[in-house]
Amino acid sequence: AQSVTQPDIHITVSEGASLELRCNYSYGATPYLFWYVQSPGQGLQLLLKYFSGDTLVQGIKGFEAEFKRSQSSFNLRKPSVHWSDAAEYFCAVVLSGNQFYFGTGTSLTVIP
Amino acid sequence: DAGITQSPRHKVTETGTPVTLRCHQTENHRYMYWYRQDPGHGLRLIHYSYGVKDTDKGEVSDGYSVSRSKTEDFLLTLESATSSQTSVYFCAISEGEETQYFGPGTRLLVL
Repeated sequence: AQSVTQPDIHITVSEGASLELRCNYSYGATPYLFWYVQSPGQGLQLLLKYFSGDTLVQGIKGFEAEFKRSQSSFNLRKPSVHWSDAAEYFCAVVLSGNQFYFGTGTSLTVIP
Repeated sequence: DAGITQSPRHKVTETGTPVTLRCHQTENHRYMYWYRQDPGHGLRLIHYSYGVKDTDKGEVSDGYSVSRSKTEDFLLTLESATSSQTSVYFCAISEGEETQYFGPGTRLLVL
Protein backbone atom coordinates (compact mmCIF):
# COMPACT_ATOMS: atom_id res chain seq x y z
CA ALA A 1 0.00 0.00 0.00
CA GLN A 2 1.07 3.49 -0.67
CA SER A 3 2.04 5.37 2.46
CA VAL A 4 3.85 8.27 4.00
CA THR A 5 5.74 7.64 7.22
CA GLN A 6 6.89 10.12 9.79
CA PRO A 7 8.63 7.85 12.29
CA ASP A 8 8.98 10.43 15.04
CA ILE A 9 5.70 11.23 16.77
CA HIS A 10 7.28 13.80 19.07
CA ILE A 11 10.66 15.54 19.14
CA THR A 12 12.09 17.88 21.76
CA VAL A 13 15.02 20.15 20.98
CA SER A 14 16.70 23.05 22.74
CA GLU A 15 16.41 26.50 21.27
CA GLY A 16 19.38 27.13 18.98
CA ALA A 17 19.95 23.45 18.29
CA SER A 18 19.63 21.91 14.86
CA LEU A 19 16.57 19.99 13.79
CA GLU A 20 15.83 17.16 11.39
CA LEU A 21 12.37 15.71 10.89
CA ARG A 22 12.13 12.51 8.94
CA CYS A 23 9.72 11.59 6.17
CA ASN A 24 9.69 8.43 4.08
CA TYR A 25 7.29 7.42 1.35
CA SER A 26 6.54 4.17 -0.39
CA TYR A 27 5.65 4.78 -4.00
CA GLY A 28 7.05 3.44 -7.20
CA ALA A 29 7.42 6.76 -8.91
CA THR A 30 8.80 10.01 -7.58
CA PRO A 31 5.90 11.95 -6.15
CA TYR A 32 5.52 15.63 -5.52
CA LEU A 33 6.64 16.23 -1.93
CA PHE A 34 5.58 18.82 0.61
CA TRP A 35 6.14 19.89 4.18
CA TYR A 36 3.44 21.75 6.07
CA VAL A 37 3.46 23.27 9.55
CA GLN A 38 0.47 23.61 11.84
CA SER A 39 0.49 25.84 14.89
CA PRO A 40 -2.03 25.03 17.65
CA GLY A 41 -5.58 25.80 16.59
CA GLN A 42 -4.50 26.86 13.12
CA GLY A 43 -4.67 25.51 9.62
CA LEU A 44 -1.73 24.10 7.70
CA GLN A 45 0.86 26.41 6.22
CA LEU A 46 3.15 25.34 3.38
CA LEU A 47 6.82 25.33 4.34
CA LEU A 48 8.32 24.04 1.11
CA LYS A 49 7.76 21.71 -1.81
CA TYR A 50 9.70 19.57 -4.27
CA PHE A 51 8.54 18.81 -7.78
CA SER A 52 11.77 18.22 -9.68
CA GLY A 53 15.28 19.58 -10.19
CA ASP A 54 17.62 20.47 -7.36
CA THR A 55 17.05 17.95 -4.60
CA LEU A 56 17.77 20.49 -1.84
CA VAL A 57 14.88 22.91 -1.55
CA GLN A 58 14.62 26.02 0.56
CA GLY A 59 11.45 27.06 2.28
CA ILE A 60 10.11 29.73 4.53
CA LYS A 61 11.22 30.40 8.11
CA GLY A 62 14.73 29.09 7.44
CA PHE A 63 13.68 25.50 6.72
CA GLU A 64 15.13 23.30 4.01
CA ALA A 65 14.50 19.74 2.87
CA GLU A 66 16.45 17.24 0.84
CA PHE A 67 14.94 14.68 -1.49
CA LYS A 68 16.86 11.42 -1.60
CA ARG A 69 15.46 9.08 -4.23
CA SER A 70 17.58 6.12 -3.13
CA GLN A 71 16.15 6.34 0.38
CA SER A 72 12.63 7.44 -0.60
CA SER A 73 13.04 10.23 1.91
CA PHE A 74 12.30 13.94 2.14
CA ASN A 75 13.68 15.07 5.48
CA LEU A 76 13.12 18.56 6.84
CA ARG A 77 15.97 20.46 8.46
CA LYS A 78 16.68 23.70 10.21
CA PRO A 79 20.16 24.67 11.48
CA SER A 80 19.00 26.64 14.52
CA VAL A 81 15.56 26.23 16.02
CA HIS A 82 13.62 29.13 17.49
CA TRP A 83 10.96 28.87 20.19
CA SER A 84 8.37 29.94 17.63
CA ASP A 85 9.06 26.78 15.61
CA ALA A 86 7.17 24.70 18.17
CA ALA A 87 4.30 23.22 16.17
CA GLU A 88 3.21 20.08 14.38
CA TYR A 89 4.85 19.24 11.08
CA PHE A 90 3.31 17.18 8.31
CA CYS A 91 4.94 15.60 5.32
CA ALA A 92 2.72 15.01 2.30
CA VAL A 93 3.01 13.45 -1.14
CA VAL A 94 0.89 13.56 -4.26
CA LEU A 95 1.24 11.23 -7.21
CA SER A 96 -1.57 12.01 -9.60
CA GLY A 97 -5.20 12.85 -9.41
CA ASN A 98 -4.51 15.65 -6.97
CA GLN A 99 -4.85 13.38 -3.98
CA PHE A 100 -2.53 14.26 -1.15
CA TYR A 101 -1.39 11.61 1.29
CA PHE A 102 -0.28 12.95 4.64
CA GLY A 103 1.97 11.49 7.27
CA THR A 104 0.68 11.32 10.82
CA GLY A 105 2.72 14.31 11.85
CA THR A 106 5.64 15.11 14.16
CA SER A 107 5.06 17.34 17.15
CA LEU A 108 8.00 19.63 17.93
CA THR A 109 8.66 21.02 21.39
CA VAL A 110 11.37 23.66 21.82
CA ILE A 111 13.03 24.01 25.22
CA PRO A 112 14.33 27.48 26.14
CA ASP B 1 -2.68 33.65 2.55
CA ALA B 2 -5.08 32.03 0.13
CA GLY B 3 -8.62 33.34 0.44
CA ILE B 4 -10.30 30.39 2.10
CA THR B 5 -12.92 30.66 4.80
CA GLN B 6 -14.77 27.92 6.63
CA SER B 7 -18.03 28.21 8.50
CA PRO B 8 -18.88 27.59 11.17
CA ARG B 9 -15.51 27.54 12.95
CA HIS B 10 -16.91 25.63 15.89
CA LYS B 11 -20.02 23.51 16.21
CA VAL B 12 -21.53 21.27 18.85
CA THR B 13 -24.33 18.98 17.75
CA GLU B 14 -26.15 15.87 18.85
CA THR B 15 -25.95 12.38 17.46
CA GLY B 16 -28.38 11.83 14.61
CA THR B 17 -28.70 15.44 13.52
CA PRO B 18 -27.64 16.66 10.07
CA VAL B 19 -24.68 19.02 9.87
CA THR B 20 -23.40 21.08 6.95
CA LEU B 21 -19.99 22.69 6.85
CA ARG B 22 -19.17 25.32 4.27
CA CYS B 23 -15.93 26.15 2.53
CA HIS B 24 -15.68 29.36 0.52
CA GLN B 25 -12.76 30.43 -1.67
CA THR B 26 -11.99 33.66 -3.48
CA GLU B 27 -9.10 32.27 -5.55
CA ASN B 28 -11.15 30.70 -8.35
CA HIS B 29 -9.19 27.45 -7.96
CA ARG B 30 -10.57 24.44 -9.73
CA TYR B 31 -10.01 21.83 -7.05
CA MET B 32 -11.46 21.78 -3.55
CA TYR B 33 -11.04 19.19 -0.82
CA TRP B 34 -12.42 18.21 2.54
CA TYR B 35 -10.17 16.53 5.11
CA ARG B 36 -10.62 15.45 8.66
CA GLN B 37 -7.81 15.58 11.21
CA ASP B 38 -7.65 13.18 14.11
CA PRO B 39 -4.82 12.44 16.54
CA GLY B 40 -2.55 9.69 15.25
CA HIS B 41 -4.05 9.80 11.76
CA GLY B 42 -2.83 13.05 10.31
CA LEU B 43 -5.16 14.40 7.66
CA ARG B 44 -7.42 12.06 5.73
CA LEU B 45 -9.28 12.98 2.59
CA ILE B 46 -13.07 12.76 2.76
CA HIS B 47 -14.20 14.05 -0.63
CA TYR B 48 -12.85 16.31 -3.29
CA SER B 49 -14.15 18.28 -6.24
CA TYR B 50 -12.52 18.89 -9.60
CA GLY B 51 -15.13 21.30 -10.87
CA VAL B 52 -18.67 22.49 -10.44
CA LYS B 53 -20.89 19.47 -9.84
CA ASP B 54 -17.86 17.17 -10.22
CA THR B 55 -16.94 15.36 -7.02
CA ASP B 56 -15.30 12.14 -5.98
CA LYS B 57 -14.74 10.10 -2.85
CA GLY B 58 -11.63 10.09 -0.76
CA GLU B 59 -10.22 7.69 1.78
CA VAL B 60 -12.88 8.16 4.50
CA SER B 61 -16.08 9.12 2.66
CA ASP B 62 -18.61 6.92 4.48
CA GLY B 63 -21.21 9.01 6.29
CA TYR B 64 -20.37 12.16 4.34
CA SER B 65 -21.72 13.80 1.21
CA VAL B 66 -20.60 16.91 -0.66
CA SER B 67 -21.94 19.38 -3.15
CA ARG B 68 -20.43 22.05 -5.31
CA SER B 69 -22.91 24.21 -7.18
CA LYS B 70 -20.53 27.15 -7.58
CA THR B 71 -16.80 27.36 -8.11
CA GLU B 72 -16.30 29.20 -4.84
CA ASP B 73 -18.34 27.00 -2.49
CA PHE B 74 -17.86 23.40 -1.40
CA LEU B 75 -20.27 21.98 1.16
CA LEU B 76 -19.70 18.96 3.38
CA THR B 77 -22.78 17.32 4.87
CA LEU B 78 -23.02 14.79 7.63
CA GLU B 79 -26.46 13.32 7.00
CA SER B 80 -26.79 11.91 10.52
CA ALA B 81 -23.88 12.85 12.73
CA THR B 82 -22.22 10.21 14.90
CA SER B 83 -19.72 10.57 17.73
CA SER B 84 -17.02 9.07 15.49
CA GLN B 85 -17.35 12.15 13.30
CA THR B 86 -16.13 14.40 16.09
CA SER B 87 -13.05 15.88 14.50
CA VAL B 88 -11.42 18.95 13.04
CA TYR B 89 -12.40 19.46 9.42
CA PHE B 90 -10.19 21.28 6.96
CA CYS B 91 -11.00 22.55 3.52
CA ALA B 92 -8.23 22.93 0.95
CA ILE B 93 -7.97 24.28 -2.57
CA SER B 94 -5.55 23.82 -5.44
CA GLU B 95 -5.25 24.71 -9.10
CA GLY B 96 -3.79 21.38 -10.17
CA GLU B 97 -1.39 18.70 -9.05
CA GLU B 98 0.35 21.31 -7.05
CA THR B 99 0.22 23.01 -3.75
CA GLN B 100 -2.90 22.72 -1.65
CA TYR B 101 -3.83 25.70 0.50
CA PHE B 102 -5.77 25.10 3.66
CA GLY B 103 -8.54 26.89 5.44
CA PRO B 104 -8.55 27.60 9.19
CA GLY B 105 -10.57 24.51 10.10
CA THR B 106 -13.89 23.71 11.75
CA ARG B 107 -14.01 21.97 15.12
CA LEU B 108 -17.02 19.68 15.31
CA LEU B 109 -18.16 17.95 18.48
CA VAL B 110 -20.91 15.35 18.22
CA LEU B 111 -22.45 14.51 21.57
